[in-house]
Amino acid sequence: RKEVEQDPGPFNVPEGATVAFNCTYSNSASQSFFWYRQDCRKEPKLLMSVYSSGNEDGRFTAQLNRASQYISLLIRDSKLSDSATYLCVVTPAAYTGGFKTIFGAGTRLFVKA
Amino acid sequence: EPEVTQTPSHQVTQMGQEVILRCVPISNHLYFYWYRQILGQKVEFLVSFYNNEISEKSEIFDDQFSVERPDGSNFTLKIRSTKLEDSAMYFCASSELADNEQFFGPGTRLTVL
Repeated sequence: RKEVEQDPGPFNVPEGATVAFNCTYSNSASQSFFWYRQDCRKEPKLLMSVYSSGNEDGRFTAQLNRASQYISLLIRDSKLSDSATYLCVVTPAAYTGGFKTIFGAGTRLFVKA
Repeated sequence: EPEVTQTPSHQVTQMGQEVILRCVPISNHLYFYWYRQILGQKVEFLVSFYNNEISEKSEIFDDQFSVERPDGSNFTLKIRSTKLEDSAMYFCASSELADNEQFFGPGTRLTVL
């Protein structure tokens, strides 16, 4: 099983649609979870951190399910500018002594007019 | 807004040559990272660095690679005897704490001929 697994997509959605991405991780001791977005040939940029209680930032909602070891990202009212690759990122518990961050391969989203 | 910077933006080198990629992390951050992304593939962790020493490294980070923080601001990745398969985008990142969100530089595109 991959350490962090995502559906590669692509997801092709019209403007205004709601789209959801899931990500699963294999290490139950994982500590921190994030969603990043990456535009073509650019650096990853933080979209949001993911907390056990879930969190929302405008049109974006992230959820964490530790029991099932998955995180999700919901995008409401999609905009053309949301077209990007969405990366699921997991970091280990700091007490393991290392800070090896694992990226998923990403889910591509295309929002069409 | 503080940001991570990287130089050069593009480096072309001959196979077997040594290259040094430079990064200036965000000034109050304590944790530093290098990642690479081969074109069309996922972001791969190389190494994390804290308190002037490597805290974690991946299997990719072999004896060909080394990192250094030569002064209070720069963080470098040295690749000795480059190979064709080292061609990739190399991203530097930094974070305030170990399990905090990481902020990425714009990357250095390394091309090995």
